[in-house]
Amino acid sequence: AVLTQSPLSLPVTLGQPASISCKSSQSLVHSDGNTYLSWFHQRPGQSPRRLIYQVSNRDSGVPDRFSGSGSGTDFTLKISRLEGEDVGVYYCMQGTHWRTFGQGTKVEI
Amino acid sequence: QVQLVESGGGVVQPGTSLRLSCAASGFTFSSYILHWVRQAPGKGLEWVAAISSDGNKIYYADSVKGRVTISRDNSKNMVYLQMNSLRVEDTALFYCAREPSFGEYDYWGQGTLVTVSS
Repeated sequence: AVLTQSPLSLPVTLGQPASISCKSSQSLVHSDGNTYLSWFHQRPGQSPRRLIYQVSNRDSGVPDRFSGSGSGTDFTLKISRLEGEDVGVYYCMQGTHWRTFGQGTKVEI
Repeated sequence: QVQLVESGGGVVQPGTSLRLSCAASGFTFSSYILHWVRQAPGKGLEWVAAISSDGNKIYYADSVKGRVTISRDNSKNMVYLQMNSLRVEDTALFYCAREPSFGEYDYWGQGTLVTVSS
């Protein structure tokens, strides 16, 4: 499955919302009924950190300003109020059809 | 706490070999599938290889199939990536990542840099 993120670059203002889209070339609903779509955040010089798994489940310690939604082939990561620590690159990843990643969306102030 | 520490990267010439290692701690290593994921400089993430918890099932990306071998030693909490016939396009930061359940990654190492250059 090919994942296409948009936009690839997202200039944002602190305190304002941000939204990133991830579209899959095929449905990410697995035969077990789950949808294996995750979101990762990578700060410069750091490893990726998972924020969201199975579309909308926030990882422990992830602020509630991050939310994931979507189904089938269309998914969205939303940040309700951007903070300075949120800059970096965001990747979606699908685990339904083995593993593929989106191209990444660079979020900068 | 869960830790994955990669090592073994370096600068090598095209056509040569390199063996990467990933040392795991803080969890029951033998219960988890482990993956290698790479990231070329300034680029995105690319899955490379995976190995089942017992080492009996192995998977490779088409881009590296035939040139790399993933293995693990559950007695030492180590996973390895043997890379042969290295190409310039293999230049990347190689991460070790843990699969906590089907279709997921949770913990990643800090990565080890492989540079292939003449």
